Amino acid sequence: QVQLVESGGGVVQPGRSLRLSCAAYGFTFRSSLMHWVRQAPGKGLEWITVISGDGNSIHYADSVKGRFTISRDNSRNILNLQMNSLRAEDTALYFCARDPNLEGFDVWGRGTMVTVSS
Amino acid sequence: EIVLTQSPDTLSLSPGERATLSCRASQSVSGNYLAWYKQKPGQAPRLLIYRASSRATGIPDRVSGSGSGTDFTLTINRLEPEDFAVYYCQQYGSPWRFGQGTKVEIK
Repeated sequence: QVQLVESGGGVVQPGRSLRLSCAAYGFTFRSSLMHWVRQAPGKGLEWITVISGDGNSIHYADSVKGRFTISRDNSRNILNLQMNSLRAEDTALYFCARDPNLEGFDVWGRGTMVTVSS
Repeated sequence: EIVLTQSPDTLSLSPGERATLSCRASQSVSGNYLAWYKQKPGQAPRLLIYRASSRATGIPDRVSGSGSGTDFTLTINRLEPEDFAVYYCQQYGSPWRFGQGTKVEIK
């Protein structure tokens, strides 16, 4: 069964770090672009970062550039998001999503909640 | 930077009616790489349409997408209870952007 499962969310103080993970099941992980998308409470979807299948091409939204780092381990089918210098405005539900080949984001995880608060 | 503007913000309709949602881009969407998603409360988004008009797997044919360039439309015929949700358009394929969403609510 094709599935994505996020983990690593929690409550963290402003300025601290957190690392999210997304485990992939049921498909050839290395063949897909993978994204992180977040959703602040009661708000819309915000795309934040993408990584190519081989990990050599990465892009970030301006809102997280220089603070967040996306990576992947194709041997373990894991996608990661290292979040540093966290701010209150980073509080959101973080989703990972699969992007198979210019056909939209066809598989999403259920999300992991990150709350940045003192 | 492309901005996607969805209208209306809220659409109040009755079951059985037709919903017409609009997504306008500030610049032409390259390759018509425009997708639509549906999101119900407490759930992840679900892909409905990609490449402006191609239905994703499992999406019924009463859901359709159209448009090109800067103007795109999602049409849902014969609204069913499960259709009442928030819908997002998205440009994908670099850059990636979402519209602000349209809520389809029961009238």
